[in-house]
Amino acid sequence: GQNIDQPTEMTATEGAIVQINCTYQTSGFNGLFWYQQHAGEAPTFLSYNVLDGLEEKGRFSSFLSRSKGYSYLLLKELQMKDSASYLCAVRDGDYKLSFGAGTTVTVRA
Amino acid sequence: ETGVTQTPRHLVMGMTNKKSLKCEQHLGHNAMYWYKQSAKKPLELMFVYSLEERVENNSVPSRFSPECPNSSHLFLHLHTLQPEDSALYLCASSQGLDNEQFFGPGTRLTVL
Repeated sequence: GQNIDQPTEMTATEGAIVQINCTYQTSGFNGLFWYQQHAGEAPTFLSYNVLDGLEEKGRFSSFLSRSKGYSYLLLKELQMKDSASYLCAVRDGDYKLSFGAGTTVTVRA
Repeated sequence: ETGVTQTPRHLVMGMTNKKSLKCEQHLGHNAMYWYKQSAKKPLELMFVYSLEERVENNSVPSRFSPECPNSSHLFLHLHTLQPEDSALYLCASSQGLDNEQFFGPGTRLTVL
């Protein structure tokens, strides 16, 4: 089976940096995705990592270490609109995505 | 309309009712998915269609019945549901099974 762990909640101040960790144990690996989901809305794609290292996209960066089964999503210069749930998802050897339960990030003024 | 749309956005039904959820994607994708999202739980993959053929049925009870009449539309037919089936049902689509999935806003289902 698939096991994907991420913290349930995180709180940070506007302008700060927050790092959301995700560890996984899966029967195969063919990429890791991060999605953002605002309350009552659809998850939206943030980033994709399939090779080790850091992928940077503006204020958001995602890191992957396949040997450690570990990824993180880094959110810089936090804004109030970044308050949302962040979902880590791992694709197995075929195409199936397995999701973590999500990390709710609350940004305070 | 753009992206992935779902109707209705909210649905309340009794256990003996029959209803259907509809998903439409306007992205020209060839794969579509149904997920269930319960509070504080991970998204659970229910069904996958690729080129209008079902490629995944993830041990979902038969009271949920999917239908994919063409590559742009996906339905989830519901009958004799249980209260524990109350959840957010999300539809997604992708171009090929390997690429990122685009999600619809979901249908919030409450079974009384």
